[in-house]
Amino acid sequence: ILNVEQSPQSLHVQEGDSTNFTCSFPSSNFYALHWYRWETAKSPEALFVMTLNGDEKKKGRISATLNTKEGYSYLYIKGSQPEDSATYLCARNLRGGSNYKLTFGKGTLLTVNP
Amino acid sequence: DGGITQSPKYLFRKEGQNVTLSCEQNLNHDAMYWYRQDPGQGLRLIYYSQIVNDFQKGDIAEGYSVSREKKESFPLTVTSAQKNPTAFYLCASSVWTGTAFSGANVLTFGAGSRLTVL
Repeated sequence: ILNVEQSPQSLHVQEGDSTNFTCSFPSSNFYALHWYRWETAKSPEALFVMTLNGDEKKKGRISATLNTKEGYSYLYIKGSQPEDSATYLCARNLRGGSNYKLTFGKGTLLTVNP
Repeated sequence: DGGITQSPKYLFRKEGQNVTLSCEQNLNHDAMYWYRQDPGQGLRLIYYSQIVNDFQKGDIAEGYSVSREKKESFPLTVTSAQKNPTAFYLCASSVWTGTAFSGANVLTFGAGSRLTVL
């Protein structure tokens, strides 16, 4: 994997369903992994930042895990609600590079149908 | 409420004209950034500034210029040298989250400016 890749590109779920999506990244020189949520017509907002292999973070019904050895992070949403509809972005910092430079994936567009 | 204000929200420009996008923050963040979004692509870094009077090129700086004369302000000029300027532009600022040994610069974004070249 040369870049940050997110899958699926988009998905539709029903209200109440639980869902998850993936962020894959080169495992070499890893420093930090960020997740952002971007609702339509709003600003992207930070969800989580993780730095250590095995990190797990949780905010309400949303949680994320990190595997730096194999180069992936999962974002889970339990009991999806229509207000969870958004594009979810992940981004990676490199070790040895500038802490100010993030490489973003293309995002996963989640639509939750009521 | 603290936040980032970008203006204008929509901007139209004729080919050959320079245009400046405004970004102001009242979060007291040291670092500020400009990103560009194009359909089907991830956010790409144009320029960033760690402190006042200092800025660094990002991945796609050609055809753009910035200044950082005040902590609160980081305007972006899209020059006529930028070959494909039509895009959505996001400004952000950041604060270090974590310890000195393990953390990251977490971004706070503005609402964006959409530039269309006619």
